[in-house]
Amino acid sequence: NAGVMQNPRHLVRRRGQEARLRCSPMKGHSHVYWYRQLPEEGLKFMVYLQKENIIDESGMPKERFSAEFPKEGPSILRIQQVVRGDSAAYFCASSPFLAGSGDEQFFGPGTRLTVL
Amino acid sequence: DAKTTQPPSMDCAEGRAANLPCNHSTISGNEYVYWYRQIHSQGPQYIIHGLKNNETNEMASLIITEDRKSSTLILPHATLRDTAVYYCTPLNAGNMLTFGGGTRLMVKP
Repeated sequence: NAGVMQNPRHLVRRRGQEARLRCSPMKGHSHVYWYRQLPEEGLKFMVYLQKENIIDESGMPKERFSAEFPKEGPSILRIQQVVRGDSAAYFCASSPFLAGSGDEQFFGPGTRLTVL
Repeated sequence: DAKTTQPPSMDCAEGRAANLPCNHSTISGNEYVYWYRQIHSQGPQYIIHGLKNNETNEMASLIITEDRKSSTLILPHATLRDTAVYYCTPLNAGNMLTFGGGTRLMVKP
């Protein structure tokens, strides 16, 4: 059973470009979470999605950032008009069940975004 | 959401037990305590979690105080590969993990 897959592993963008980060959850998992880790800091929650629904986006910046988890295909975290402050590692995690069930989230290897 | 406090760093001799404390005095009754670790810049690796009772698995043991205000992760026989940053994080009702600064564990030969 493959783990959580993320691609690309490394992404370089110039200021003003768009960044698209992809996450394929573990087989059988219908819940996806995105976290961001700035250099030398802990992970910060961004958004929690279920298939075709955004459950909680309280950690997402209000502008330029969006996320989706379509019925078919991977979850996408999209950052428009990137700025240098967006440079970070973006981790995706997945879990099989609903909140409060005590089921662990399994993390992918992350995408390291560098904005020049 | 509960806040956690962990020592920023700890050392442990190889082969000895590593005991990593975490204070979560504001945790609510339905929040689980999760432990993850991050080796270098890899994705966090799940270790163990618990609600009220002590837990043990093949990686570690988790001791939760009766008042649930603190917990201790125990790696019974630390190896060099256990060198990592260890995060204690509550899981709230919204399924959100809240990572603090963690403890940087250095296992030394």
